[in-house]
Amino acid sequence: AQSVTQLDSQVPVFEEAPVELRCNYSSSVSVYLFWYVQYPNQGLQLLLKYLSGSTLVKGINGFEAEFNKSQTSFHLRKPSVHISDTAEYFCAVSNQGGKLIFGQGTELSVKP
Amino acid sequence: NAGVTQTPKFRVLKTGQSMTLLCAQDMNHEYMYWYRQDPGMGLRLIHYSVGEGTTAKGEVPDGYNVSRLKKQNFLLGLESAAPSQTSVYFCASSYLANQPQHFGDGTRLSIL
Repeated sequence: AQSVTQLDSQVPVFEEAPVELRCNYSSSVSVYLFWYVQYPNQGLQLLLKYLSGSTLVKGINGFEAEFNKSQTSFHLRKPSVHISDTAEYFCAVSNQGGKLIFGQGTELSVKP
Repeated sequence: NAGVTQTPKFRVLKTGQSMTLLCAQDMNHEYMYWYRQDPGMGLRLIHYSVGEGTTAKGEVPDGYNVSRLKKQNFLLGLESAAPSQTSVYFCASSYLANQPQHFGDGTRLSIL
């Protein structure tokens, strides 16, 4: 069975500092990987996706993630965060069937 | 272009009452999904549909029923609400399996 583990439940960081949100997954088959962001009282928005091809994926708002098959990881990074990046971030994995399995979420808190 | 619209946005029920949550999408997507979001648990799939007239069970289907009579609508029903069903419910849709899912803004449901 597939599973997703987000290694940090909360990540506090100062504005303009770099940030990495960690995600590990387990699966015995080929997977598709996603990062979503959820702002307060809103639904989830897609940040970026890995379906195939280049292992470095660039998304919206300056975020990027790297797919590492040997380490079964898909960590999210941003070189310089803004106050507006404060939100909850979810890593998700799906297989051929299209059903998403979500991690528990990481709360990113950007402080001035 | 509204995307995915969920109604109602908030609802309070008493134990044993029934209700239906409505999800409507205007993107001509084949796949539709219902999730519940609980603190520290990410999103968990309740039921999903791969096309008009089809439904299938997800990870946590007990106590819920769904119907997809029209391609654009996906209904989630609670026949006899229980306090354990207090949660935020999200509907999502996608054009195909493994394509990014588009989410509604959620329905906050409290069962007293």
